[in-house]
Amino acid sequence: KQEVTQIPAALSVPEGENLVLNCSFTDSAIYNLQWFRQDPGKGLTSLLLIQSSQREQTSGRLNASLDKSSGRSTLYIAASQPGDSATYLCALPNTDKLIFGTGTRLQVFP
Amino acid sequence: DGGITQSPKYLFRKEGQNVTLSCEQNLNHDAMYWYRQDPGQGLRLIYYSQIVNDFQKGDIAEGYSVSREKKESFPLTVTSAQKNPTAFYLCASSLLGQGGTEAFFGQGTRLTVV
Repeated sequence: KQEVTQIPAALSVPEGENLVLNCSFTDSAIYNLQWFRQDPGKGLTSLLLIQSSQREQTSGRLNASLDKSSGRSTLYIAASQPGDSATYLCALPNTDKLIFGTGTRLQVFP
Repeated sequence: DGGITQSPKYLFRKEGQNVTLSCEQNLNHDAMYWYRQDPGQGLRLIYYSQIVNDFQKGDIAEGYSVSREKKESFPLTVTSAQKNPTAFYLCASSLLGQGGTEAFFGQGTRLTVV
């Protein structure tokens, strides 16, 4: 059974810092891994999708890496801004559904 | 603009009532999903559908029902049998099964029992 863990659960940093959010999973036989952002009271916004054959994917200030053998993915946020404050979720497909971690709540203060 | 539209944004239900949450997508996606989100818990799958007129139960289907009469629409009914319906409900879609393609989500419906 696939289990997904995200550490830390919460993170508070000053503006401008580079950040690393972690996602660990127990079953390395995955198709892909997807990172989402969720603002309070809102739906999920897809940030990055990494296919199992890829090692990393970049979008603007975001870079996600995938290491299947160790069961880990990291989301790197460069030069953080207050607008990055949100909950970040990673998710992996398991047969016909996505398995989600419980997320990392990020607060970036000015 | 392509996307997923959920309505209403807020919904209040009295004890013993059935309520229906709407989810519409114009992404031409085959698969659609309903998730429930509770504070401090991860998202849990209620129902999913990969083709019109067919759907499957997820992990917490009891007290819920769905239909998939059109490719674009996947409404969720919260019945009176659902004992703790207060939660945030999220609809999602993907091109095929979620095994290999990107999933997209709507903005959610917050349901409260009054």
